[in-house]
Amino acid sequence: EAQVTQNPRYLITVTGKKLTVTCSQNMNHEYMSWYRQDPGLGLRQIYYSMNVEVTDKGDVPEGYKVSRKEKRNFPLILESPSPNQTSLYFCASSSTAAGEQYFGPGTRLTVT
Amino acid sequence: QQPVQSPQAVILREGEDAVINCSSSKALYSVHWYRQKHGEAPIFLMILLKGGEQKGHDKISASFNEKKQQSSLYLTASQLSYSGTYFCGTRRGFLMDSNYQLIWGAGTKLIIKP
Repeated sequence: EAQVTQNPRYLITVTGKKLTVTCSQNMNHEYMSWYRQDPGLGLRQIYYSMNVEVTDKGDVPEGYKVSRKEKRNFPLILESPSPNQTSLYFCASSSTAAGEQYFGPGTRLTVT
Repeated sequence: QQPVQSPQAVILREGEDAVINCSSSKALYSVHWYRQKHGEAPIFLMILLKGGEQKGHDKISASFNEKKQQSSLYLTASQLSYSGTYFCGTRRGFLMDSNYQLIWGAGTKLIIKP
């Protein structure tokens, strides 16, 4: 089954404790993105990647890092999480730059 | 820069029609529509490109007025399954263009009652 998977689905952590949210897709897509979703603000892009080892900042990259060492994986790293990073995070992939995006199930992160 | 969606929320009876609008203050290259049900991931509906035709499948269609920098999503004879939040995403440019990034509206919540 074609899908985008994210882990963990739910995470509660404390300020400053480094964490990684994994994202993996099995559709051989070149393009992958990370979004955060907050009430009233819709989806905001954090980072995106157009291929292995090619990443670029989105709208709200501060406080986040990404890497794309393999085509299928695109982990999101929060080196020192803060409470304002409490949000619902989605990973997405697409076969073309401007095409349909397939979203993962989401990761609900709470930073206390 | 975020596109403005209207209305913010709408409540309909099953079988009624709905129109959701997405407006931008800047010229657009493409508009993307997604639906998200509570607690789930957004699901793709359709993409409208500059110079392209109105699109649709089943009883959901959309138009893109480039001059007005606006897109509208039409839901005809709404079904209970249409409930959810609808998001538009807009692109102002081509890949490698500085305006390529997809910018999302805040969403329109649609509630369909039996």
